[in-house]
Amino acid sequence: RKEVEQDPGPFNVPEGATVAFNCTYSNSASQSFFWYRQDCRKEPKLLMSVYSSGNEDGRFTAQLNRASQYISLLIRDSKLSDSATYLCVVNRGGSQGNLIFGKGTKLSVKP
Amino acid sequence: DAGVTQSPTHLIKTRGQQVTLRCSPKSGHDTVSWYQQALGQGPQFIFQYYEEEERQRGNFPDRFSGHQFPNYSSELNVNALLLGDSALYLCASRRQGLWGYTFGSGTRLTVV
Repeated sequence: RKEVEQDPGPFNVPEGATVAFNCTYSNSASQSFFWYRQDCRKEPKLLMSVYSSGNEDGRFTAQLNRASQYISLLIRDSKLSDSATYLCVVNRGGSQGNLIFGKGTKLSVKP
Repeated sequence: DAGVTQSPTHLIKTRGQQVTLRCSPKSGHDTVSWYQQALGQGPQFIFQYYEEEERQRGNFPDRFSGHQFPNYSSELNVNALLLGDSALYLCASRRQGLWGYTFGSGTRLTVV
């Protein structure tokens, strides 16, 4: 079993739609959680960190459930520019640790 | 302020050959990690360097080795290349003890 598992996708949605990505992680020692965005043939870029209390950044909302070892990302009012692969990422080792990536879920937002 | 710089951007090698990829970390960063991203997969952690030593290693064979120089730049070496080594190789840097990885744009390696 992979340490970080995501919806396989791809997700094809119209502009303005709300889309949700789900992710589970298997190592309960994981300490930090993130969503990264990766455009085609580009490097991953941090979209947002994920906190137990939930956090929001504009149209993006991230949630963490430590008991269920579950992470989610909600995108409201999808834009064409949101089309990308979304990577769920955990860090096991605190500030000394390294990033463990999920496989990613591809999102295509259509006009 | 330059971000993470990787070279070359693209590379084609033949099976059995050896390759060296290079990374210059972001200014102020002293820790470098390398990742391999195969097509359609998420990045996989190879190893991390700090103070010129390998500090952590992922599940990669000994064919993958690295080095960090006193100026914090790093190299990734892969020996006896296999077709399956074809991937995007990403370098990420950060300052030890702090969050915030910065990724380079990667080196795309094709093994034929």
